[in-house]
Amino acid sequence: AQSVSQHNHHVILSEAASLELGCNYSYGGTVNLFWYVQYPGQHLQLLLKYFSGDPLVKGIKGFEAEFIKSKFSFNLRKPSVQWSDTAEYFCAVIESYNTDKLIFGTGTRLQVFP
Amino acid sequence: DVKVTQSSRYLVKRTGEKVFLECVQDMDHENMFWYRQDPGLGLRLIYFSYDVKMKEKGDIPEGYSVSREKKERFSLILESASTNQTSMYLCASSSGTGVFYGYTFGSGTRLTVV
Repeated sequence: AQSVSQHNHHVILSEAASLELGCNYSYGGTVNLFWYVQYPGQHLQLLLKYFSGDPLVKGIKGFEAEFIKSKFSFNLRKPSVQWSDTAEYFCAVIESYNTDKLIFGTGTRLQVFP
Repeated sequence: DVKVTQSSRYLVKRTGEKVFLECVQDMDHENMFWYRQDPGLGLRLIYFSYDVKMKEKGDIPEGYSVSREKKERFSLILESASTNQTSMYLCASSSGTGVFYGYTFGSGTRLTVV
């Protein structure tokens, strides 16, 4: 079955530092990939998604992610983080083609200090 | 905007009680999902539904049941609450029209079983 790994469980950065959060999925074929963010006390929101085409995907709030098929990866990046980026970030993949079931990773907690 | 509303933000229940968690979406979505979110474990799928009166087990259905009598409402039922069901419960929906854009999540219900 499809699965998702997020190896960074807790990341602590200072403002203006660059961010990269890792996400790997277990097997290939057609994949639909997502990053969601959960700010403290708020509901999960979609940051960005990849279905096909350009492997570099831009999302909201300056985030981007790169789909690398050969590495089964979909890492999230931001060149310069802000205190307001403090949140938990979840990578997710469609379980199988033509379904709506999402498989989530265990999440990465990001803390940004001023 | 699609709204997914979960009836309670916080609940405290006693061991052995029957617990109902309610979720309503207002955009005529076909698909609805119940996840639980636990630290270090991410989001795990409990049950989902692709149509009225239809339900399918997710990855961790034990101790739970669901009901979908109307398209907009998807209820999660804990038949006999136990302390290991203390968790954050998230409801989500997706359109189900063949193009998947991701989920819209509710704000979650934090359930404590004492």
